[in-house]
Amino acid sequence: GAVVSQHPSRVICKSGTSVKIECRSLDFQATTMFWYRQFPKQSLMLMATSNEGSKATYEQGVEKDKFLINHASLTLSTLTVTSAHPEDSSFYICSASRGVAGGLHQETQYFGPGTRLLVL
Amino acid sequence: KQEVTQIPAALSVPEGENLVLNCSFTDSAIYNLQWFRQDPGKGLTSLLLIQSSQREQTSGRLNASLDKSSGRSTLYIAASQPGDSATYLCAVVGDNYGQNFVFGPGTRLSVLP
Repeated sequence: GAVVSQHPSRVICKSGTSVKIECRSLDFQATTMFWYRQFPKQSLMLMATSNEGSKATYEQGVEKDKFLINHASLTLSTLTVTSAHPEDSSFYICSASRGVAGGLHQETQYFGPGTRLLVL
Repeated sequence: KQEVTQIPAALSVPEGENLVLNCSFTDSAIYNLQWFRQDPGKGLTSLLLIQSSQREQTSGRLNASLDKSSGRSTLYIAASQPGDSATYLCAVVGDNYGQNFVFGPGTRLSVLP
């Protein structure tokens, strides 16, 4: 099956520091990767979509300069939370798809296990 | 704009009961609907995927139905077990190109031994 991993699984950092979260597709090439955020007791919300080699498309209300997404290869996408603050504490989940976002076919998304970020 | 709601928000049942979780969506132009399970602090596990042309899917003790025209889906869990305790999320993918998952808020299920 298609496996997606995330690293780290948990991270605690001080306010003002930057944190990088990696999302890898282990056994398939992920043309598209998605980043979601989930605050406690709230639903998952899509933050951004990235196609390999292109700039990420951010959802309304998500600051692209604060949440830097790099999808430089077909198996790796990174989310960097810059100058993290306590309100950024959340559960971040990525998913990966073989298809191209906006393409003719909606491909299955495979979800990573998530990264819990706590900003002190 | 697609909105997904789930009822109930929380449910506590004794072991062995059959139960139904409900999901509603406002825009019937969906490509598929998917039910997920989320354990505390963990990622998502996909349970069942129903394409828009299908009416139900079954996997073991789980059965999901889809009534696209009325914007509803139900997840039926038979003979519930304590290991079923988790949050259950439904999510829809829109029929428009490039539209991504829209998640419901989830139903938090506790199955008591």
